[in-house]
Amino acid sequence: DAKTTQPNSMESNEEEPVHLPCNHSTISGTDYIHWYRQLPSQGPEYVIHGLTSNVNNRMASLAIAEDRKSSTLILHRATLRDAAVYYCILRGIRLRNQGGKLIFGQGTELSVKP
Amino acid sequence: EAQVTQNPRYLITVTGKKLTVTCSQNMNHEYMSWYRQDPGLGLRQIYYSMNVEVTDKGDVPEGYKVSRKEKRNFPLILESPSPNQTSLYFCASSQQGADGYTFGSGTRLTVV
Repeated sequence: DAKTTQPNSMESNEEEPVHLPCNHSTISGTDYIHWYRQLPSQGPEYVIHGLTSNVNNRMASLAIAEDRKSSTLILHRATLRDAAVYYCILRGIRLRNQGGKLIFGQGTELSVKP
Repeated sequence: EAQVTQNPRYLITVTGKKLTVTCSQNMNHEYMSWYRQDPGLGLRQIYYSMNVEVTDKGDVPEGYKVSRKEKRNFPLILESPSPNQTSLYFCASSQQGADGYTFGSGTRLTVV
């Protein structure tokens, strides 16, 4: 299974943009890049996913490098409620039973200062 | 409301006493999965299921059993719980394919 590498922690100021990086140099052509976040005392929450093109939704944007070996989750205006652990994960779907596996790394702990 | 429901939220039990943690989803998802979360070890997958009667081991399946007799339910069974299974457990479900998983609120299990 392809692995991802993220910084252990990052800090941001409230109402400023945050760019959370993720490296996945061994990604395969059928791996989707997923991002989840986990707020304290809660279950992980799906944020966004993409394959090759950049993606936007109401929560965040996902920028994917042209060679797909890295990606960046962008929170356009950080709020105190965005303080969480953010996980970058690869979800492969080439094989029928591969889509069931979702391997979480250690993630990036984001703190947001007022 | 689309959701994954786990029960119970909290459970304290004794070593060796069989228990079941239930998980139910109302989104007609094919994939379901169980994770445990421990300090310093992160989220680790226990078992997952691709559809009814189709399950496979995750990274830490020892000491656990699962079954998928109906699409909506995916119970986690601990036949003989031990203290090292004290952990926070999460159930999750997803459509087949690339979509994101929806997670339950978690079950905090303590085995004494």
